[in-house]
Amino acid sequence: GNSVTQMEGPVTLSEEAFLTINCTYTATGYPSLFWYVQYPGEGLQLLLKATKADDKGSNKGFEATYRKETTSFHLEKGSVQVSDSAVYFCALSGNSGYSTLTFGKGTMLLVSP
Amino acid sequence: NAGVTQTPKFQVLKTGQSMTLQCAQDMNHNSMYWYRQDPGMGLRLIYYSASEGTTDKGEVPNGYNVSRLNKREFSLRLESAAPSQTSVYFCASSTGRAANYGYTFGSGTRLTVV
Repeated sequence: GNSVTQMEGPVTLSEEAFLTINCTYTATGYPSLFWYVQYPGEGLQLLLKATKADDKGSNKGFEATYRKETTSFHLEKGSVQVSDSAVYFCALSGNSGYSTLTFGKGTMLLVSP
Repeated sequence: NAGVTQTPKFQVLKTGQSMTLQCAQDMNHNSMYWYRQDPGMGLRLIYYSASEGTTDKGEVPNGYNVSRLNKREFSLRLESAAPSQTSVYFCASSTGRAANYGYTFGSGTRLTVV
């Protein structure tokens, strides 16, 4: 079946540091890949997505590239802000038939001033 | 522009009590989902409804039932609550092709069973 593995957190950074959160996946065929963000006390919000190999999703300074050869979709940001503190979830959806989203366990990011 | 609305936001139940979590979306989405979120476990799918009139089990359906009341509403029922069902519950909806669009989530219901 489908599965997503994320690096464990928390990831603790100072403001303006470079961020990488690793995500790898196992799936048959060619899934679509997503990053969601959850701010404290809120639901999940779609941050970015990529639907085919070599696509780059981007939003709010965050980027992730769909790497089929390494089955990865790592999240990056060049300069984090305190307001980026949140839990980040990597997820995938199969592209054949009806498929639901499978989520990783989430990675907490804490950014200090 | 409400999106996905969940009620209640917080609930405390005693073991053995029953309750229904309500979810409604105003985006004309075909598919709706219930997930639970537990520390260190991420989000796990309880039940989903691919379209009005259909429901299917997800990864962790035991102890739950669902009803797709109409296209807008999808409720989750706990018939006899257990402490293991203490969790944060999220409802989500999609146009039906999660692979293209992903999901829109509600803000969650925090349930404690004592």
